[in-house]
Amino acid sequence: AAGVIQSPRHLIKEKRETATLKCYPIPRHDTVYWYQQGPGQDPQFLISFYEKMQSDKGSIPDRFSAQQFSDYHSELNMSSLELGDSALYFCASSLGLSQGNTEAFFGQGTRLTVV
Amino acid sequence: ILNVEQSPQSLHVQEGDSTNFTCSFPSSNFYALHWYRWETAKSPEALFVMTLNGDEKKKGRISATLNTKEGYSYLYIKGSQPEDSATYLCACLNYGGSQGNLIFGKGTKLSVKP
Repeated sequence: AAGVIQSPRHLIKEKRETATLKCYPIPRHDTVYWYQQGPGQDPQFLISFYEKMQSDKGSIPDRFSAQQFSDYHSELNMSSLELGDSALYFCASSLGLSQGNTEAFFGQGTRLTVV
Repeated sequence: ILNVEQSPQSLHVQEGDSTNFTCSFPSSNFYALHWYRWETAKSPEALFVMTLNGDEKKKGRISATLNTKEGYSYLYIKGSQPEDSATYLCACLNYGGSQGNLIFGKGTKLSVKP
């Protein structure tokens, strides 16, 4: 069965550069979540989308933005990168409430290293 | 925006101890409560999805209960093992408004010492 696909799996950027992380949800899933996990830290919820609209916002810095496109894939754009942005970024997808099973499935993550 | 609270934020236990932690969620317009286990540098995996008041689910040494009237769920781990060390996330799904999706708590980080 198709899973949540995140790309790239690994990314190295320099300070002040921009990075774009992509998440392709499981087919028919209309909800996407983004999480950040720094080295040795707890996972932090960043943002979520339902039917291409932002539905919840967590501790996402103003330097970051995200959107969900018409095909339900989502992109997390990160500008003016800082060393502290180095982390594992997870994306998850689920079906919306109206469609029954709402279990969230997580991708393998993108490891971002800022140098 | 709905609020899902988990406590404690972190927990340190010895191998063999049994432990439990709590997830509190809005009881109005409740639809489902999910528990996820998240090991460092791995993808979170679903443990339980519960929908009915009084639901009790079990997977090995881990079990969970659900009280939708008062808005809480407990996760129990019997005889903790070092491999149980992880962050345990709960997530709530409610009807209404734009909330057609899961709202996650901040998690309980469990550390089990050998």
